[in-house]
Amino acid sequence: SQQGEEDPQALSIQEGENATMNCSYKTSINNLQWYRQNSGRGLVHLILIRSNEREKHSGRLRVTLDTSKKSSSLLITASRAADTASYFCATHPINDYKLSFGAGTTVTVRA
Amino acid sequence: EAGVTQFPSHSVIEKGQTVTLRCDPISGHDNLYWYRRVMGKEIKFLLHFVKESKQDESGMPNNRFLAERTGGTYSTLKVQPAELEDSGVYFCASSQLFLGSGTEAFFGQGTRLTVV
Repeated sequence: SQQGEEDPQALSIQEGENATMNCSYKTSINNLQWYRQNSGRGLVHLILIRSNEREKHSGRLRVTLDTSKKSSSLLITASRAADTASYFCATHPINDYKLSFGAGTTVTVRA
Repeated sequence: EAGVTQFPSHSVIEKGQTVTLRCDPISGHDNLYWYRRVMGKEIKFLLHFVKESKQDESGMPNNRFLAERTGGTYSTLKVQPAELEDSGVYFCASSQLFLGSGTEAFFGQGTRLTVV
């Protein structure tokens, strides 16, 4: 069954604006990871946040994790056209090693 | 260093035909995974190899799907006979360490399979 669920399904923003997307999941996790897929390309790992972490930064990316609400958010600041892609959260549940993905959020950055 | 590569990038076949997808993991990665994304839906786990052994194939949809990993190097995923609902993007990933240790998985660009 689907573990991660991204919201919104699609997001359109102007270049330079921030983009925020959320991920909710159902079971307890070891960690949560965000991936990006540009059109026609493979999944690229963006950031991993462990269950005992609350916030993590990587360049223009900021990820938060609230294990009490079983949710995470990904913020992309000062978006660029190259950020246009689908973004997936993947959870690593406790007692399971497999990554469980959601359906993704499609982000379009308009020039 | 080469990443995970998948062949072909796109395949269009007729219902009932056979298709074989190939994945070359990053050299030295013992763990290899297959995932599938059906149009607009979530990316679903299919199976996991550790070297040449199938560690977990709980996600394989039915016996029309057969995965192999010869000598623990590249892997193939054969669909025979293909059905319309098999259409989607098939991703392969590899990792050096067992994913349960919280390590990163490296994904290939995927094979887009279209069954008509």
